[in-house]
Amino acid sequence: QVQLQEAGPGLVKPSETLSLTCTVSGGSISGYYWSWIRQPPGKGLEWIGYMYYSGSTNYNPSLKSRVTTLLDTSKNQFSLRLNSVTAADTAVYYCARGLDYADYARIDSWGQGTLVTVSS
Amino acid sequence: SSELTQDPAVSVALGQTVSIACQGDSLRNYFASWYQQKPGQAPILVIYGDNNRPSGIPDRFSVSTSGNTASLTITGAQAEDEADYYCNSRDISGAFNWVFGGGTRVTVL
Repeated sequence: QVQLQEAGPGLVKPSETLSLTCTVSGGSISGYYWSWIRQPPGKGLEWIGYMYYSGSTNYNPSLKSRVTTLLDTSKNQFSLRLNSVTAADTAVYYCARGLDYADYARIDSWGQGTLVTVSS
Repeated sequence: SSELTQDPAVSVALGQTVSIACQGDSLRNYFASWYQQKPGQAPILVIYGDNNRPSGIPDRFSVSTSGNTASLTITGAQAEDEADYYCNSRDISGAFNWVFGGGTRVTVL
């Protein structure tokens, strides 16, 4: 069974860049949409974006100008960079594995999540 | 704001049936997937597409779609079903963006 694990700093200063890495174990990178999703404390889920295993990407329009994702197939890792962060970016960040078909998508595996706080 | 709208909270008596609605224009063309999230835990997929459940998800969970509304139904709710439930689908832009509903908290009385 595939497992995903997020890693990165738990505290980022305002205006700086948030960087997280997700390590995938027990499964292949191929064929999936590798996604980032976040959840501010006490609030709902927000899709940040995904990178298909081929390298194509798609991002939430509200975050697109600040988001970059990378995929390292040799290490079975994918990463998120979110620049110019503010307190509004404080959230639990999840990495996840998804599939997207003609008439539905599904996210079938999630990391445990990592809390990132933006504060000086 | 979310392009998928859910009621914030519903309650159900133990053993009874509850439905959670998810409304959005993209649902006219695209099925929703549904996720259960318990406090302090990551979400898990409970149902996707045309009534498909991952292994280990009980068959008391089902979905239906009518027009722009998808509904998750729990038939015979159990105490362990108390959780937040989120729907997920594409947005209406045609750009293959994903979107989540705001979530519905289900309380089992």
